[in-house]
Amino acid sequence: AQRVTQPEKLLSVFKGAPVELKCNYSYSGSPELFWYVQYSRQRLQLLLRHISRESIKGFTADLNKGETSFHLKKPFAQEEDSAMYYCALRGGADGLTFGKGTHLIIQP
Amino acid sequence: DAEITQSPRHKITETGRQVTLACHQTWNHNNMFWYRQDLGHGLRLIHYSYGVQDTNKGEVSDGYSVSRSNTEDLPLTLESAASSQTSVYFCASEQFSGSRRDEQYFGPGTRLTVT
Repeated sequence: AQRVTQPEKLLSVFKGAPVELKCNYSYSGSPELFWYVQYSRQRLQLLLRHISRESIKGFTADLNKGETSFHLKKPFAQEEDSAMYYCALRGGADGLTFGKGTHLIIQP
Repeated sequence: DAEITQSPRHKITETGRQVTLACHQTWNHNNMFWYRQDLGHGLRLIHYSYGVQDTNKGEVSDGYSVSRSNTEDLPLTLESAASSQTSVYFCASEQFSGSRRDEQYFGPGTRLTVT
């Protein structure tokens, strides 16, 4: 069975501080990993996918197969980064398996 | 612009009633999905479809059904609404071409309350 774990329900950091949102996964094959973001009262939107290896809004994420992790990082947090962040895995032929989400709050 | 829409955006219904939530996408995507979002659970897959006349059960399919009569629409039906089905429902679609699956695009969500 595939599983995604986001250990932090809530993460609060000050503006300008580094941010790291943790994501660990369990899957026997080669998964696709994604980070989705949901700003207040808006729909989910894709932030990153590991196969594209790009930086969006200053965020990066590296897939570490040895540690089965896909942590999301940003060196300097901005107030507009406050949102819910979901890590998701696509392993087999069905839909995405999501973690429970981390609520990121950036304090001024 | 192509998009994915859901209706209604908010719905209040009574226990035992049948409810249908609509999802419509104009990208001509093959694959469509329904998820529910609950506090403490994240998003969980209810049903999905890979094309017309194709439907599949997801992780939490009990009490729900879908039908795919055309490419654009995947309505979600709650046969007999229960209070445990109070949730926010998201529809999503993605394009599948050959062996490549694109990202999933999400609708704005439907907030359903069962009283």
